[in-house]
Amino acid sequence: SQKIEQNSEALNIQEGKTATLTCNYTNYSPAYLQWYRQDPGRGPVFLLLIRENEKEKRKERLKVTFDTTLKQSLFHITASQPADSATYLCALDEYTGRRALTFGSGTRLQVQP
Amino acid sequence: EAGVAQSPRYKIIEKRQSVAFWCNPISGHATLYWYQQILGQGPKLLIQFQNNGVVDDSQLPKDRFSAERLKGVDSTLKIQPAKLEDSAVYLCASSLASGINNEQFFGPGTRLTVL
Repeated sequence: SQKIEQNSEALNIQEGKTATLTCNYTNYSPAYLQWYRQDPGRGPVFLLLIRENEKEKRKERLKVTFDTTLKQSLFHITASQPADSATYLCALDEYTGRRALTFGSGTRLQVQP
Repeated sequence: EAGVAQSPRYKIIEKRQSVAFWCNPISGHATLYWYQQILGQGPKLLIQFQNNGVVDDSQLPKDRFSAERLKGVDSTLKIQPAKLEDSAVYLCASSLASGINNEQFFGPGTRLTVL
């Protein structure tokens, strides 16, 4: 069956360190993958999109990699800050007739000052 | 630019009652989505509209859930009758189109509690 796996346990890191979050998937062939941030009581906010033919994408302190062989995406936040504390969701789009995102359950990041 | 608006923000009902949620997408966005997010899970797509037509409702429990998007702008999602397992946050999102660059903009959600 199709599955998207993100670490269910919270990731705790010290301010200034690099946070790395993992998104693994099985039985999908995504055309692209998106990462969203969600704060408590709010809707998700789009961060980055990476296509299947792209290896890496950067935006300010954020970096996303996409390895279609390993079926994995890594999301990095460099020089992390307490304000980066949130839940981060990955979402896949398979570009089939059904154009819809399928979300993982998210990983909660806690950056300690 | 105004974001996606949703109301109400919170709703508490008893099982077997009915409830309706309203969404106003970002102006000019042709595609509108309704998601259900159960605590501890990611959002799950219920229905997707392109203008006022349904693109995908394969995961909508049609025996109790219904949605419409009149005039291709605002949308309402209804549950009738509600079950305990419908307790969740209902998120509305919109995007310019349903193409490959479909960054989705989410509203704040409606938290539904079914007692």
